[in-house]
Amino acid sequence: DGGITQSPKYLFRKEGQNVTLSCEQNLNHDAMYWYRQDPGQGLRLIYYSQIVNDFQKGDIAEGYSVSREKKESFPLTVTSAQKNPTAFYLCASSIVGLGEQFFGPGTRLTVL
Amino acid sequence: AQSVSQHNHHVILSEAASLELGCNYSYGGTVNLFWYVQYPGQHLQLLLKYFSGDPLVKGIKGFEAEFIKSKFSFNLRKPSVQWSDTAEYFCAVNSNQAGTALIFGKGTTLSVSS
Repeated sequence: DGGITQSPKYLFRKEGQNVTLSCEQNLNHDAMYWYRQDPGQGLRLIYYSQIVNDFQKGDIAEGYSVSREKKESFPLTVTSAQKNPTAFYLCASSIVGLGEQFFGPGTRLTVL
Repeated sequence: AQSVSQHNHHVILSEAASLELGCNYSYGGTVNLFWYVQYPGQHLQLLLKYFSGDPLVKGIKGFEAEFIKSKFSFNLRKPSVQWSDTAEYFCAVNSNQAGTALIFGKGTTLSVSS
């Protein structure tokens, strides 16, 4: 089945630790995205990438980093510089130019 | 900057009632418009989309939306809701350019009682 996988589903980390969230897609999409979802805030864009080895900051990139070494993969690192990292993180992908995005199941990160 | 406003934070309806969720965006150029739905415990999934053509678009599960360019609106409608429509609904916009990320509204939670 084609789709987007995110792992793990739940993640707990201590304050001050960096943590990396995985996102893999087998849809052969060029573009990939990371969003953060908080209650009552909708989805806010963290980073996106339209092509391998290139990515752009979204509205709330501070405290996050990404890489795009392979077309299928777009991992997100939540660094200790992110002041309020507890949230639900969604990864998405799309064919560049068509707009419609497909979403993964999400990772719920809790920082203790 | 582009922004998307959803007028209702939480809507409560009885089964068989009609639904209309408001969505307005602020962008003067050509836009693509979407409604996504997030059922409890499930992936965010596309309900319907508008790129061009007929401004009245039909989506899955009996939903439809009307694009009114003069009002910068893309309201979602369903004539008769079911208990299974209980979910969070998001309006989203992007410009008609390659690879532009979606800008989401804050979402509307719909609760349908049986």
